[in-house]
Amino acid sequence: KQEVTQIPAALSVPEGENLVLNCSFTDSAIYNLQWFRQDPGKGLTSLLLIQSSQREQTSGRLNASLDKSSGRSTLYIAASQPGDSATYLCAVLNTNAGKSTFGDGTTLTVKP
Amino acid sequence: SAVISQKPSRDICQRGTSLTIQCQVDSQVTMMFWYRQQPGQSLTLIATANQGSEATYESGFVIDKFPISRPNLTFSTLTVSNMSPEDSSIYLCSVRSTENTEAFFGQGTRLTVV
Repeated sequence: KQEVTQIPAALSVPEGENLVLNCSFTDSAIYNLQWFRQDPGKGLTSLLLIQSSQREQTSGRLNASLDKSSGRSTLYIAASQPGDSATYLCAVLNTNAGKSTFGDGTTLTVKP
Repeated sequence: SAVISQKPSRDICQRGTSLTIQCQVDSQVTMMFWYRQQPGQSLTLIATANQGSEATYESGFVIDKFPISRPNLTFSTLTVSNMSPEDSSIYLCSVRSTENTEAFFGQGTRLTVV
């Protein structure tokens, strides 16, 4: 059974700092891994999708990496802004017809 | 990408009543899911909504409590029946792209049962 862990559970940084969020998974036979952002009381917004054959994906100030063999992914946020404050979740898909497994999320606070 | 419209965005309901949540997608999708997110927790899959047949429920969720309809490839409903305060959660509709299996979510329905 796939298990997904996100560390840390919460993170507070000053504006402008670069930061890394971590996601680890127990079963390395994944189909893809996806990072989401969730604002309080809202739905999830897709940030980056990494297919199993890829090593990283970039979108603006965000960069996500994937190391299947070690069961890890990182989300790098450059030059953080107060608007980046949210909960970030990673989700692993094991087969293209299967179910996603979500981590518990990292709640990020960026202080002005 | 898929655009998902979920209604209502929030509701406050009396215990013992039922609420039906609607999910409309702007394109035809094969895979559609319903999740629950209890306060301070991550997402829990309730069921996979199957077009033209009964939904596939996860362990701990039953059709009598969470009936789901999916009449076509762009629309689904989730009903939360005979509600109790423990049903207070955010309910989320999700679809998966057939092109690259990217998942998309609706805005969520914030349900409070009093």
